[in-house]
Amino acid sequence: ETGVTQTPRHLVMGMTNKKSLKCEQHLGHNAMYWYKQSAKKPLELMFVYNFKEQTENNSVPSRFSPECPNSSHLFLHLHTLQPEDSALYLCASSQDLTGEYTIYFGEGSWLTVV
Amino acid sequence: AQSVTQLDSHVSVSEGTPVLLRCNYSSSYSPSLFWYVQHPNKGLQLLLKYTSAATLVKGINGFEAEFKKSETSFHLTKPSAHMSDAAEYFCVVSLPNSGYALNFGKGTSLLVTP
Repeated sequence: ETGVTQTPRHLVMGMTNKKSLKCEQHLGHNAMYWYKQSAKKPLELMFVYNFKEQTENNSVPSRFSPECPNSSHLFLHLHTLQPEDSALYLCASSQDLTGEYTIYFGEGSWLTVV
Repeated sequence: AQSVTQLDSHVSVSEGTPVLLRCNYSSSYSPSLFWYVQHPNKGLQLLLKYTSAATLVKGINGFEAEFKKSETSFHLTKPSAHMSDAAEYFCVVSLPNSGYALNFGKGTSLLVTP
């Protein structure tokens, strides 16, 4: 248990659906992240939030829309996804954005787009 | 450009024998370096980290890694492998010139045989 909780753990959605992934951290951290893990590829950073403000958007298509209502919660809204978007989506948090702090990961949400 | 390279995509060892997972990084700045482990269907767990203190870093579960600036390496070792060590291992670098974003290697899959 890392203190970072992701729901749902598994999601199957059609290409025309709208769904959301949720992440919650109970660690009192100020920074939160979304990563994408695809087969045979390195983890890709998607978004970074620090004190609820987005500080990084790593050229992610607009069909992925993040939302950070407060420092403890992070959402990833999904709309008109493609089959190649099927992957494990990992949420993470850290005390701050400096390299000194450990980043803690949730167990991920497995997304399958059909 | 890839800033972290894991030299082996798969490593197989016998239970009770030493483990060596190799990682090289490229950076003109002083990096922070991490090793994370991912067991099947689980999120990433921090094994150890180097942040400019002692060059030999001890982590959880008997793992350790040595930062060698002259070789730009941060190899992960363990004297004696256990069956439970079978997992995917990621070498990660955090660079100050990239906002301390984590750059992941492609991962090394460790297989431990009886």
